[in-house]
Order: sequence, then C-alpha cells, then structure tokens
Amino acid sequence: DQQVKQNSPSLSVQEGRISILNCDYTNSMFDYFLWYKKYPAEGPTFLISISSIKDKNEDGRFTVFLNKSAKHLSLHIVPSQPGDSAVYFCAASAGAGNMLTFGGGTRLMVKP
Amino acid sequence: ETGVTQTPRHLVMGMTNKKSLKCEQHLGHNAMYWYKQSAKKPLELMFVYNFKEQTENNSVPSRFSPECPNSSHLFLHLHTLQPEDSALYLCASSQGGLAGGPVHNEQFFGPGTRLTVL
Repeated sequence: DQQVKQNSPSLSVQEGRISILNCDYTNSMFDYFLWYKKYPAEGPTFLISISSIKDKNEDGRFTVFLNKSAKHLSLHIVPSQPGDSAVYFCAASAGAGNMLTFGGGTRLMVKP
Repeated sequence: ETGVTQTPRHLVMGMTNKKSLKCEQHLGHNAMYWYKQSAKKPLELMFVYNFKEQTENNSVPSRFSPECPNSSHLFLHLHTLQPEDSALYLCASSQGGLAGGPVHNEQFFGPGTRLTVL
C-alpha cells in the first residue's frame, strides 16, 4: 500500500504560467516532506522541503504548501520555465532519522 | 554534479553472472542508501547504512548483497538476478541519521546505474 501518492502521472503547462503538482499521504506520523526533481539520465535532486509545523515554505519560484488535515501537499512553480520540465517526486519522513518514502512522480512538461 | 558518483552507468548481465555496482560520495556524509526504481513505480528503499552499519534492509532478496567498507563507499553485489530485477539503481547519501545528528536530512542522489538482466 503506497503511503505517498502522486495521482497525476503527467502535467503540461505553458511557459510563464503556474505549475501545481500534488501529493497525498496516508501516514499521519510523517512530519517532514520534500520535493525532488529528476532529469533523464540523472539522479533526483533536492528542491524544497517543509516541516509539519509549517503550512508554507517558499524558495524563489518554488512554494510548497502543506495541509495536514487533508494529508496533502502541493508544489507551486511560478512562473514555469521550459527548464523546469522534469519528473517531480514528493517524499516524506517520520520522526528523526533518514528514511524517506517516495511518491511515484509526476512528469511536468513546460511548453515554450 | 551532486557529489555522489555511481559506476557503471549501464550494465547488462545474464542471470548467472555476478556483478557489482559501486557508489562513492564526496560530501562527508555518514549515511548511504540504495534505492531501486522500476518502470512506473515509486523509488523503493533497499538498504540504509549509518556510519558503515546497516540499519535497514527493506525485505530485499538475498541475491542483492550490500557492502559498505567505509562511509564514502557503498557497493551492491549482484548474483543470479532475475529479469524483473531490471531497473534503475540509485545510490544516495546524507548527513546524520543517528541520535545527536540533524533531525531531517536531504538525501543527495547519484545518477544511477541502469541495469538490464537478460
């Protein structure tokens, strides 16, 4: 049973518009959430994270929102750029330590 | 370049072969991981090493055998694999993971080894 789910396998957005990637989780013990970006032939690279004590974290064009009651988080990219085209994974961890549970990924395509 | 390297990048092997995947991190981290990414499936954690000690074995078949000789190097020894083991194998490293270390740590990934078992 997948504890972290990304229900949209792909998303297509026009350059300059907002990209919204969604992630749902089932384990209420998760208290730290991360987003990774993956280009073809490369490993995932860390993008942004959020602790469960916050509901929003912003870093430049990237903002992650956390809705604990809904067990849902989202990544907003504004404005989207063609170089943002990649697969985005959300991940979650529970308590202190280093175990991450990943979602299945969403392929984002930003069209010029 | 994330500071985590993996060799080889591609590997094709028969079911009776023995091969090894190598991972090296240049980040001074003390935790290392092996993940498996199969087509259309989430990344699956296989093994975790903290300070060279294996702290997690996620019900991985014994045909996969990890080795961590020091905190910078991690190997995955492969023998008598099955075609369904064909996947992208990713290595990652992070700081901490034990009591007294940072609570949450981003993991840095290598580029992966694309394994095909014939």
